[in-house]
Amino acid sequence: EAQVTQNPRYLITVTGKKLTVTCSQNMNHEYMSWYRQDPGLGLRQIYYSMNVEVTDKGDVPEGYKVSRKEKRNFPLILESPSPNQTSLYFCASSLSPTDPQGLIDKSTDTQYFGPGTRLTVL
Amino acid sequence: DAKTTQPPSMDCAEGRAANLPCNHSTISGNEYVYWYRQIHSQGPQYIIHGLKNNETNEMASLIITEDRKSSTLILPHATLRDTAVYYCIVRATGNQFYFGTGTSLTVIP
Repeated sequence: EAQVTQNPRYLITVTGKKLTVTCSQNMNHEYMSWYRQDPGLGLRQIYYSMNVEVTDKGDVPEGYKVSRKEKRNFPLILESPSPNQTSLYFCASSLSPTDPQGLIDKSTDTQYFGPGTRLTVL
Repeated sequence: DAKTTQPPSMDCAEGRAANLPCNHSTISGNEYVYWYRQIHSQGPQYIIHGLKNNETNEMASLIITEDRKSSTLILPHATLRDTAVYYCIVRATGNQFYFGTGTSLTVIP
């Protein structure tokens, strides 16, 4: 089954204790992304990756790191979590990024989202 | 980058068409309009997207105005399972998706 998986689904931790949230997709997608969702603020993009070894900052990258060593995996790393990082996190992937002209192949650009990880930092 | 404006909430009677509006007055010529929805706290689900022409698939129809400054998502026969938050997104250059706060649609029995 084609899917995006995230682990863990729920995590309660304490300030300053490093953690990693894993994201994996089995669709051979090039593009992967992390979002956080907070009440009243909608979904905000943290980081995204257009392909292996290529990552870029989204709107709210502070306090987060990512890596893309393999096509299928895109872990989100919180080196020193703080309470303001308590949130619902989603990983997403899609087959291809925008082409050089900015046009999109409609059949390939749909983003698929994982089930979410609810993180609480005390 | 173009941003979107949506009403925060809407109601729709079950079985009727739900028409969800979106304004994107600063959209540029090569930017697509996407619609996603999120049921409760699940991961967002893709619905439809388009550039200039109206689009229809098994889930919904997308109507884009001629000047592309606004669009409407139409769920032709809303069911209780369509109760969700609906996001209108304009695809920015650099591959970023900007989600706003969306429209919370409640389908009423």
